Amino acid sequence: EAGVAQSPRYKIIEKRQSVAFWCNPISGHATLYWYQQILGQGPKLLIQFQNNGVVDDSQLPKDRFSAERLKGVDSTLKIQPAKLEDSAVYLCASSPRDFPRSTDTQYFGPGTRLTVL
Amino acid sequence: AQSVAQPEDQVNVAEGNPLTVKCTYSVSGNPYLFWYVQYPNRGLQFLLKYITGDNLVKGSYGFEAEFNKSQTSFHLKKPSALVSDSALYFCAVRDMIPGGSYIPTFGRGTSLIVHP
Repeated sequence: EAGVAQSPRYKIIEKRQSVAFWCNPISGHATLYWYQQILGQGPKLLIQFQNNGVVDDSQLPKDRFSAERLKGVDSTLKIQPAKLEDSAVYLCASSPRDFPRSTDTQYFGPGTRLTVL
Repeated sequence: AQSVAQPEDQVNVAEGNPLTVKCTYSVSGNPYLFWYVQYPNRGLQFLLKYITGDNLVKGSYGFEAEFNKSQTSFHLKKPSALVSDSALYFCAVRDMIPGGSYIPTFGRGTSLIVHP
């Protein structure tokens, strides 16, 4: 079974530029998550999708971050414009059907390391 | 608000010795608790979880964890450490927040170093 795929693996941009990350979850998984992991910290949930609907985006900085999962499969996370403090690893995870039960195991992708200069 | 604390940034243990990685939590209701491991340049991998039932949970790679409601703890343990267990370990909790969501909250992680 293929795991969660993410691209690119690494990205370096200048502040105020835009960037987009792509995630393809495990086939058949209804729930998709985006996390931000700043160096030395644990992952912080940015947004959770159930199919193509948003379950929670309370921690997403909506003035600059956006995410979509239009067909309920793969997803894109965008930052526009980027700030220095956005430098982090962005992790995508999926689970079979995690709402409303919230007990499913999450399967994580390798992450995208973003450096903002 | 829910929270997770991993009080040790780093745990050092000799190979063959037992290991413990500590986790305490704070939630308003009944917690769902998880342990994940992260190897360098890789995503997190699931180790084990407590949802309900037996307080001692067994997981992957010989790890286990004990749910202690009175101490609000969920410490990760292994009877005999291996050098290959060296990695970053994250504890996570899920609890209902206002609005009905169960968003996961992760601790800051504990670096486990197993010496040969």
